Amino acid sequence: DQQVKQNSPSLSVQEGRISILNCDYTNSMFDYFLWYKKYPAEGPTFLISISSIKDKNEDGRFTVFLNKSAKHLSLHIVPSQPGDSAVYFCAARTNAGNMLTFGGGTRLMVKP
Amino acid sequence: DAGVIQSPRHEVTEMGQEVTLRCKPISGHNSLFWYRQTMMRGLELLIYFNNNVPIDDSGMPEDRFSAKMPNASFSTLKIQPSEPRDSAVYFCASKNGHGANVLTFGAGSRLTVL
Repeated sequence: DQQVKQNSPSLSVQEGRISILNCDYTNSMFDYFLWYKKYPAEGPTFLISISSIKDKNEDGRFTVFLNKSAKHLSLHIVPSQPGDSAVYFCAARTNAGNMLTFGGGTRLMVKP
Repeated sequence: DAGVIQSPRHEVTEMGQEVTLRCKPISGHNSLFWYRQTMMRGLELLIYFNNNVPIDDSGMPEDRFSAKMPNASFSTLKIQPSEPRDSAVYFCASKNGHGANVLTFGAGSRLTVL
């Protein structure tokens, strides 16, 4: 049973427009959420995170929104750039745990 | 810092052979994780160590898989015997301390079992 799900395997967006990547989770014990970006032939790299006590965290072009009642988070990239083309993984951690549970990933393609 | 170092980057082997993947975590990081990436399951945790001690190996798929961490700077993931369904990219990641949230990943080892 997947506790973290990314239901869109791929997303295509025009350069300059907004990219919205979605993630749903089932475990109510998750208290910290992260987004990782992965380029081909490289390991995932940390992008942005949010604690469950917040509903929004912003870092430059990247904003993560958390809706705890819906058990849903999203990553917004504005404006999208061709260099943002990558696979994005959503991850979550419980307050008692030491490990991250990842979603299946969403491949973002930003077209020039 | 050189980051998390994994070897080999690519491994092609035949079914039934033993495969050993290696990982050197970031110096000072005391938690180490092995993940596997497949198309079907995304990134799944296989096992993690804290202070060189295996804490949770519930993600290890079968007895054919084993992992060790003999010291703070080295870990291995072994598959014996290997099967075609083991073909995947295997990532090692490390972090510093129980409270830290961010994992740093290595570049991965792509395994192909023919």
